[in-house]
Parts: sequence; C-alpha cells; structure tokens
Amino acid sequence: EADIYQTPRYLVIGTGKKITLECSQTMGHDKMYWYQQDPGMELHLIHYSYGVNSTEKGDLSSESTVSRIRTEHFPLTLESARPSHTSQYLCASRGGREGGTWETQYFGPGTRLLVL
Amino acid sequence: DAKTTQPPSMDCAEGRAANLPCNHSTISGNEYVYWYRQIHSQGPQYIIHGLKNNETNEMASLIITEDRKSSTLILPHATLRDTAVYYCIVRSGANNLFFGTGTRLTVIP
Repeated sequence: EADIYQTPRYLVIGTGKKITLECSQTMGHDKMYWYQQDPGMELHLIHYSYGVNSTEKGDLSSESTVSRIRTEHFPLTLESARPSHTSQYLCASRGGREGGTWETQYFGPGTRLLVL
Repeated sequence: DAKTTQPPSMDCAEGRAANLPCNHSTISGNEYVYWYRQIHSQGPQYIIHGLKNNETNEMASLIITEDRKSSTLILPHATLRDTAVYYCIVRSGANNLFFGTGTRLTVIP
C-alpha cells in the first residue's frame, strides 16, 4: 500500500483566492509529480521534481507553481484561482532504480478543485 | 518515449479472462512496458511492468511479443472491481510517464 497523501480531497473556492494543494509521501522517494486530469480525459503532467530544490514544468502548461523544500513534501500553489483551474489534481512519487519494483510510480487519491 | 496504441474500450464477462492489447511498434531496446489502471477517477494504480520476458504478479500477467512491438495484459479472472481505464505506457528510466487515453474495460455481470 502506497503512503502518499493529498489534502484537501475536495475544495470549492471563489475566483481570485490563493490556494495550496498539499502532497506528502513517507516512502523517502526523490521524484515527485503533479498531474492534472479533467473528468473522463487524459492525465497531463504539469510539474515534477527530482529532489529537494529541484522543480520542473511538465508537458502541460500550468499557471500553478510548486516547491520542494523537503523530500517528503511537494505542495502546489495557485496564486489566484480561476474557473479554468477547475479539475482534479493528482500527486505521485517514485523512487529506486530503473526496472526495480520500487521504481514504479505511486499516486495519491487526488484533489478535486472547483473554482466558482 | 515510444507511442502506444490501445483500443478505446472493451467488455469482459465476470469470471472470464480479460486480455488487453497494446501496440508499441516504435519501442526501443531500453524502454520498459508499464501497465497502470485508474478506477473511477481515483489515482492511477500500478499493475505490472516488464522489459522482454513475460511477467506475472498477484494482479495480472504481462505477455510481451518476441519483437517487443506489442504486449497483452491479462487479468485471469475479471471481477466487477476490475472495471477501470487501463493505461499501457513505455518509457526509459530517465523519462517521465506519459498517460494516453487508455482502454476502458467494463466487466459485465
């Protein structure tokens, strides 16, 4: 069972508010990821990190930002939420060597965000 | 990373084997084949992965053709809880996972 957590699970918020989506993992994984997924649609990578103080933008452009100050924590922030940010946000982590069973990517339960 | 092609949807009778195909004809020698599934918009769940040899674990079996251009995920006795979107992904170690549209498997009672 993967130990990766996301809070909140659901968030309804008004336009213009600043929000932070939390993601934590207790597996000591170096690599962490944020994906965005609209209902019934593909997952798109928006941010990733290969370790502390490392952050990169993913395949899909996003107005959100991330930080990685501690290995276990990878929060995502939206400075000013808009209705177009309404989506599900999934956090994942990965660790270990290539091909090993502990190299697989583990996902959190997701945060469903609704911006009114 | 190599591109994969999967059928958009499949049905399977409960208790029967579900065979989900994946085409990855441009796979390169150092790329692994991974399978994940996503149940009702939960976070995707790792199922199995392999490089050249067939693999089996408690969830499924993975059959990779000798030329590695295609693979099949086998759920030996499908249950209603196996209804999900199944993603076939190929990647090498340095690259991130790319989730396509996957195959929506519906297990029918």
